[in-house]
Amino acid sequence: QSALTQPPSASASPGQSVTISCTGTSTDVGGYNYVSWYQQHPGKAPKLMIYEVSQRPSGVPDRFSGSKSGNTASLTVSGLQAEDEADYFCTSFAGSNNVIFGGGTKLTVL
Amino acid sequence: EVQLLESGGGLVQPGGSLRLSCAASGFSFSSYAMTWVRQAPGKGLEWVSVIGAGGNAKYYADSVKGRFTISRDNSRNTLYLQMNSLRVEDTAVYFCAQVVWSTSYRFEQWGQGTLVTVSS
Repeated sequence: QSALTQPPSASASPGQSVTISCTGTSTDVGGYNYVSWYQQHPGKAPKLMIYEVSQRPSGVPDRFSGSKSGNTASLTVSGLQAEDEADYFCTSFAGSNNVIFGGGTKLTVL
Repeated sequence: EVQLLESGGGLVQPGGSLRLSCAASGFSFSSYAMTWVRQAPGKGLEWVSVIGAGGNAKYYADSVKGRFTISRDNSRNTLYLQMNSLRVEDTAVYFCAQVVWSTSYRFEQWGQGTLVTVSS
C-alpha cells in the first residue's frame, strides 16, 4: 500500500488560513471516512488533531477543521498562530486492518 | 493523565533482536487496543502493528510481518514489541499509542518514542 500524498511544505502569515491536502485512492481515503490528522513538533510525539475526517478531539482549537472530497482529504488551519508551526501527517484506514500515513507537511508560519 | 513510556531501544546489528516495552498509566489499559508506529530519521510515520484490548487480535504491516510480534500484559499495563531479524531499514523511533481501532482507526495518545538503530 503506497503512502498518502501530502505537499512537503505549506506556509502562511499569522492570522491567515492554510489548507493541507492528503490524496489517496478509492481504496483508502475515498473508500472510508476514517481520515485522521496529527500535529508533530520537532522531537515531540504526534498529537491527534482531527479524526473521522472532520471530528475534533476535546481540547483542540476550533481553528482546526477537516474535510474530504473524493480521494482527497484536507486540513484547514484558520487564524494561524506561531505555535501552529509543526509537521502535519494524515492517516487513512486502507482496509484489511491496515492504516497508512501521508508523507507529512511542514507548516511554516511566516 | 494518560502516560505512555517506551523503553528498550538501542543499537543492534543486522539480523539481531530487540524487545520494546511501553508502560501505560492514567487510563484503563485493558479496555484499549494499542499500537506501534515508527518514524525513520527525517522521514514520515509508518504504522507497524496493532493488538486488541484482550490481546487476541493482532495485525501487522507487510514490512514487519513474520519478523515482529506484538503482545501485551494487561496485569502489568505494558505493551511489547518483539523485533527479530532486524534490518537496517528498521532503524526508527518507535512510538506506542493508545488507539481506537475498528470504529475509528485513530491514534489518541502517543508516547515519546524510543530509538532503534540497526547498524553494523
